[in-house]
Formats: sequence, structure tokens, C-alpha cells
Amino acid sequence: DAKTTQPPSMDCAEGRAANLPCNHSTISGNEYVYWYRQIHSQGPQYIIHGLKNNETNEMASLIITEDRKSSTLILPHATLRDTAVYYCIAIPTGTASKLTFGTGTRLQVTL
Amino acid sequence: SAVISQKPSRDICQRGTSLTIQCQVDSQVTMMFWYRQQPGQSLTLIATANQGSEATYESGFVIDKFPISRPNLTFSTLTVSNMSPEDSSIYLCSVEVARAAEAFFGQGTRLTVV
Repeated sequence: DAKTTQPPSMDCAEGRAANLPCNHSTISGNEYVYWYRQIHSQGPQYIIHGLKNNETNEMASLIITEDRKSSTLILPHATLRDTAVYYCIAIPTGTASKLTFGTGTRLQVTL
Repeated sequence: SAVISQKPSRDICQRGTSLTIQCQVDSQVTMMFWYRQQPGQSLTLIATANQGSEATYESGFVIDKFPISRPNLTFSTLTVSNMSPEDSSIYLCSVEVARAAEAFFGQGTRLTVV
């Protein structure tokens, strides 16, 4: 699986957009970019995933660069409940559930 | 989707003893996994629980220390054997559901070994 690199921590004001970057410069053509988050004392929660097109769901948007070497997860209106560790994971087709977690980004949403 | 129930949610155990953690899913799943999350660290995959056969362990994890059972498509157990304080971690069960693109996780079992 391709290695991903994320900043260790970020802050965001409540109500503002949180933009979380992820570098995956060695990603291969059959690897999807997945995002999960882990709120304190809970199990990880799936957010969104994509291959090469931008994706949006009720939780977030995922922007993948054209060369697929990096991506950005966007929480459009961050709330205090979005405070969590966010993990970006590159996952080959057909193995969406066997996950190799990196260190993630700790997002702190503040008033 | 899948709703996963893990028991116990937390426990404090004496060193040298063993603890069995249960993972129950509300529907039949194709794959079940066990992860460990040491204090302040990210999650590490321990093994894939295979229905009807021995679990598949990741590098650094062995069956004698972490025996796993999966008697059917909705249930699995992980035993942490001969515990030491270094085993203090959160242990999480995860499942793959047919036609779902993502994994689902239980809330974890917080284990403290004293």
C-alpha cells in the first residue's frame, strides 16, 4: 500500500472550512484514497473515498489532484464535534477493509 | 452498514492472566479483523479472523499470544494471553460488509494490565 503523509495537527475555527491535506506521491493506479476519522474513545468512522474524481457526500468533500499524488479532505463547516484524528489511507481495489493506519492529523476545532 | 458490539468495553486485569474480547455483528459479514491501538498511537492490524479456519496474523503477532476464534459469520473473539502491562491498549473489531465500500468498527475494548 502506498505510504501517506499528513500534518500531525491542525486547528480550525468552528463554522469555517477545515482543509486537511494528504500526500500520497507513490500511489498506484489501483489504489483508492480513503479517509477515516477517530473521535476520542470511539472506533474509526468512514468519511469518504475516491479514485481520481472529486467526491462529495453529506460529511465532506474529497479533492484529488490530477496526478493523484495528493488530496484534500474538506469539512465545509467544521463544528466542535468534528474534533478528531483524521486518517488518509491508500487502499488497493478489493481490500477496502484491511487497513494500514498512519499517524493521521489531529484536528482541533475551536470556538 | 453493520452495527458492531464489543464486550467488555473496558477491563482492568492482573498481569499473567488472559482476557477474551467478544465481537458481535448484527448481520453476516464477509471479513472480520482485529486491531490494537496502543496509548497515543495509531491502529495496528493484529489479524484477519477467518470463519472456519485459523486466523491470519500480521507480522509481529502470534497465535499463542492472541488466539482468535470465528465460529460463524457474525461473531469472533480475541484473547489476549498471559498479559503484561505492555498489552494495555484499545482492541478494536472491524468488519467488511458485502457491497459496502468501507470498513466498520466497533467501539473498542480498553484494556489496562496492572
